[in-house]
Amino acid sequence: EDQVTQSPEALRLQEGESSSLNCSYTVSGLRGLFWYRQDPGKGPEFLFTLYSAGEEKEKERLKATLTKKESFLHITAPKPEDSATYLCAVRETSGSRLTFGEGTQLTVNP
Amino acid sequence: NAGVMQNPRHLVRRRGQEARLRCSPMKGHSHVYWYRQLPEEGLKFMVYLQKENIIDESGMPKERFSAEFPKEGPSILRIQQVVRGDSAAYFCASSLYTSSGGSGANVLTFGAGSRLTVL
Repeated sequence: EDQVTQSPEALRLQEGESSSLNCSYTVSGLRGLFWYRQDPGKGPEFLFTLYSAGEEKEKERLKATLTKKESFLHITAPKPEDSATYLCAVRETSGSRLTFGEGTQLTVNP
Repeated sequence: NAGVMQNPRHLVRRRGQEARLRCSPMKGHSHVYWYRQLPEEGLKFMVYLQKENIIDESGMPKERFSAEFPKEGPSILRIQQVVRGDSAAYFCASSLYTSSGGSGANVLTFGAGSRLTVL
């Protein structure tokens, strides 16, 4: 059974203080690893898809990387508007659904 | 494109009543997924449907829950005889799926969710 573990559960940063979120996964065969952002009271918003180890993608202050066992979401010089819950999910080769981790709740203080 | 539309956004039911949640996928998307998010918990897969077919319902409770995606109209998640433990946010997502994959084909786009409260 697919397993996705995210750490830390919660992270508080000062504005401008860079950090990384971790997503460890166990799947029989990875078809894609997905990062989403979820704001309170809203649905998850797609950020990135990574397909193979070594792949990297960037969007504004966010950069996602992938290895064979984990993915990192690096946040460079965060701003208060980056505060949200960041969700990691995997899709295995034999399925279509996404299996989500519990998320990391990020708070960026001004 | 209005995105994935879910209604109602908020629904209050008393124990024993029925709840019906509706989801209209993005234009051109023929694959619908339902997820449940309990308070302070992650998203849990419930069911995956294509038009007129249930593809994967392995995450759906065996009793009281059902889902459909008819040829015409929205997908519906139906919960019969609701209990307090059914209180949660229910999210629908849709995708444009192709067997060949591709960078955008398999991305799930989520709706804003329907929040069910059982009194």
